[in-house]
Amino acid sequence: DTEVTQTPKHLVMGMTNKKSLKCEQHMGHRAMYWYKQKAKKPPELMFVYSYEKLSINESVPSRFSPECPNSSLLNLHLHALQPEDSALYLCASSQPTGGSGNTIYFGEGSWLTVV
Amino acid sequence: AQSVAQPEDQVNVAEGNPLTVKCTYSVSGNPYLFWYVQYPNRGLQFLLKYITGDNLVKGSYGFEAEFNKSQTSFHLKKPSALVSDSALYFCAVRGFIGTASKLTFGTGTRLQVTL
Repeated sequence: DTEVTQTPKHLVMGMTNKKSLKCEQHMGHRAMYWYKQKAKKPPELMFVYSYEKLSINESVPSRFSPECPNSSLLNLHLHALQPEDSALYLCASSQPTGGSGNTIYFGEGSWLTVV
Repeated sequence: AQSVAQPEDQVNVAEGNPLTVKCTYSVSGNPYLFWYVQYPNRGLQFLLKYITGDNLVKGSYGFEAEFNKSQTSFHLKKPSALVSDSALYFCAVRGFIGTASKLTFGTGTRLQVTL
């Protein structure tokens, strides 16, 4: 069973709304990730936080704003999204590169629909 | 740039027969390779990984994978398929950027196991 918890499981929002996706892990991991997955496609990396600092931003539009309040929590703030942003958003965590074989564990995802 | 390729969109196998899901990689340096499974409307579950050591890696649910350096392959195998193995399977390679790491996924292979 996954130990990465994501809320909400489903979110429907209008293009002018502001909402947030939340992710929590209690495995003591110091790296956390956001991935976006469209139907029948592989996950695509959006952001990586390492030791609570943003380490990787894969040229994600500014309407997606990540936040890492502490080592256990990761948020993704959403504002002025477009219908094409509808997707499954996956949070993941791992130890950072101190151990190269460290596994990245995923949550169950948040299904986002933008109307 | 590191990448993995999954040449088959779908693999069909009868229950009780052996299964193979193919993956090839392109990596500079030592590869860190992973297999994940995704059941419908769920997140990604870790199956197994290759870091170093034995070329035959054993993982969850009776799956194993064979690392072949000369053929740059990391095929997923199971001796006897179950209908419940039907899912989407992703091969992935782990890369590193500073203190952060990222998984790059293949396009995925849908496994269909029938009675």
